[in-house]
Amino acid sequence: EAQVTQNPRYLITVTGKKLTVTCSQNMNHEYMSWYRQDPGLGLRQIYYSMNVEVTDKGDVPEGYKVSRKEKRNFPLILESPSPNQTSLYFCASSLVSQGRETQYFGPGTRLLVL
Amino acid sequence: GENVEQHPSTLSVQEGDSAVIKCTYSDSASNYFPWYKQELGKRPQLIIDIRSNVGEKKDQRIAVTLNKTAKHFSLHITETQPEDSAVYFCAAPDVHDYKLSFGAGTTVTVRA
Repeated sequence: EAQVTQNPRYLITVTGKKLTVTCSQNMNHEYMSWYRQDPGLGLRQIYYSMNVEVTDKGDVPEGYKVSRKEKRNFPLILESPSPNQTSLYFCASSLVSQGRETQYFGPGTRLLVL
Repeated sequence: GENVEQHPSTLSVQEGDSAVIKCTYSDSASNYFPWYKQELGKRPQLIIDIRSNVGEKKDQRIAVTLNKTAKHFSLHITETQPEDSAVYFCAAPDVHDYKLSFGAGTTVTVRA
C-alpha cells in the first residue's frame, strides 16, 4: 500500500530535550516536506527536500533541522524544543518537485512541549 | 515568496446549498492551484486541482475556477452534504523556489 508514515503519532516532552520525528514514504517520491498546523494559521512549511542530500528552508524553519540521506526518509529534528513548537506536524511527499503535484500527507504527529 | 490568502475562515451552509471559498495569490507566475480537504482528526487530502492553462475544472459536485488576471481561484461545492463538513485549504507553489504556500483554511459546516 502506497503511504507516508510518521512516528511517533503523539509526543509529550520538556523544553530542551532533543527529539526526532521520523517520516518515511514508499512511493519513490523525490519531493518531501514538513508542515506544522496551528489554529488560524493553516499549514506552514518548515523544510522541504527535492531529493537526496538536497534540503531547503520553508517559511518557518527556525528551531528545526532535517536530513535526507535516503530517498524514502525525511526526519524532522528539534534540537532544543520550546513550548512555541507545540503543534500538529505533517510530513508529505510528492512525485514531482516544486510542489506541483499531489502532496500525500502522513497521519500527523501531535507534539506538546512543556 | 508566494502569499496565499483564503476567505472566509468559517462557512456554515444548509444541506443542499452551495459553498464557495476564495483564495488570492501574489505571484502572477504561479501555475498550479490545489485544494485539500481535512476531515476532523485526519490528514489533508487533495480533492481537486487546476493548472493555469484552464479556467475551470469540475469533478462531480466540486469545481474550481481560476482568474489569472485577478490572481484568485475559488472552490465551489454544490448540493452540500454532511460529509462535506471539513477544513478546506487552498495552496499555490512559489515559482522561484520549491516552496508550497497554503491558505489559512476554511472550516465548512453543513447543517442538516
